Amino acid sequence: DAMVIQNPRYQVTQFGKPVTLSCSQTLNHNVMYWYQQKSSQAPKLLFHYYDKDFNNEADTPDNFQSRRPNTSFCFLDIRSPGLGDAAMYLCATSNPTGGVRQETQYFGPGTRLLVL
Amino acid sequence: AQTVTQSQPEMSVQEAETVTLSCTYDTSESDYYLFWYKQPPSRQMILVIRQEAYKQQNATENRFSVNFQKAAKSFSLKISDSQLGDAAMYFCAYRRGGANSKLTFGKGITLSVRP
Repeated sequence: DAMVIQNPRYQVTQFGKPVTLSCSQTLNHNVMYWYQQKSSQAPKLLFHYYDKDFNNEADTPDNFQSRRPNTSFCFLDIRSPGLGDAAMYLCATSNPTGGVRQETQYFGPGTRLLVL
Repeated sequence: AQTVTQSQPEMSVQEAETVTLSCTYDTSESDYYLFWYKQPPSRQMILVIRQEAYKQQNATENRFSVNFQKAAKSFSLKISDSQLGDAAMYFCAYRRGGANSKLTFGKGITLSVRP
């Protein structure tokens, strides 16, 4: 089945130690999103790629970076994780040029990040 | 700026009963989409139902239906014959039409189902 895959599902890192979260998709969607979600809160958009074009949200800290080497993969890099970065990180995809039904975003299962 | 408001943080429903989750939004756009997403505890966020603003007919997906009141900017979700598996956090979301627009979420509502 076509899907959005996130690895790892759980990630433990140390304060200040760089960490990378990965997302892959078999949907062939041209847009990929990264969200941060803290407990019992709505997801907060960090940035998204429309094809190769990177779109950063104004309030996303510089500590968060992203790479999209090809259509299928997108990475979230946290350069120096702080305790406040502990959260669930969600990847999502959409294909807005694929017709009306493709306006929907499809989410991966998320990676829960713990910072010690 | 678009906003989505879910004013009820929690609701509870008896199994097999019907429950309605409220959502209002604010926009000046005419082309937009509305969604309800479900996120069970520690599980994946999945789409429950979507509504295109240009459609007058309310969307329905099995036990889930919406009451879309465009003039009032209201988009409530009705869950019929509630099941234990419906217990989750539900997010209402808005997306302006267009290729490069983002999803705006409400704060979410936690639904519990009593056996």
